[in-house]
Amino acid sequence: AQTVTQSQPEMSVQEAETVTLSCTYDTSESNYYLFWYKQPPSRQMILVIRQEAYKQQNATENRFSVNFQKAAKSFSLKISDSQLGDTAMYFCAFNMNNFGNEKLTFGTGTRLTIIP
Amino acid sequence: KAGVTQTPRYLIKTRGQQVTLSCSPISGHRSVSWYQQTPGQGLQFLFEYFSETQRNKGNFPGRFSGRQFSNSRSEMNVSTLELGDSALYLCASSLPDTTGELFFGEGSRLTVL
Repeated sequence: AQTVTQSQPEMSVQEAETVTLSCTYDTSESNYYLFWYKQPPSRQMILVIRQEAYKQQNATENRFSVNFQKAAKSFSLKISDSQLGDTAMYFCAFNMNNFGNEKLTFGTGTRLTIIP
Repeated sequence: KAGVTQTPRYLIKTRGQQVTLSCSPISGHRSVSWYQQTPGQGLQFLFEYFSETQRNKGNFPGRFSGRQFSNSRSEMNVSTLELGDSALYLCASSLPDTTGELFFGEGSRLTVL
């Protein structure tokens, strides 16, 4: 079974600063996907960024980038130039790259607060 | 394109009752999965349906059940409600591909008194 661990329950940073959220996972699979999802207060969860395990290049989406270390089973999210709208719960999630297995395993989340 | 729609958004039940939650996926999405979100247990996978068939099931008691209709809409049912069933129930839909990306609804918040 896969497990996902987020060791930072809460973080806060000043607006415009850079923040890094940590995530580690455990799996015996070699091919899988990793995700960061964002859940703003009282709003729906949305995908922030996705990483395919077989790709060595780290994924980036505008101000969001990941540091994927496959051997260390680490998958951190960096948010640059943080904005007030980045305030949310952030969940790291794992999914096997296997059609027919649409199941995400989530970490416990990191509550991120951007301070004006 | 409309997103994932869940109804009702909020509901209050008492112990022993049953509840049915509904989920309409994004048009063209054929997989629908359900998650339970609580402060103590976080996000836990309930089950996933594809083409009206349950493909995966999480570790929940048989009181939790679901189904999917031919138009991909899905319902989940919880019978004999317990206080611990109070949670946000999230529905997510996805295309029949291997990207693993799920699109979530806003959830149905169930309170059991």
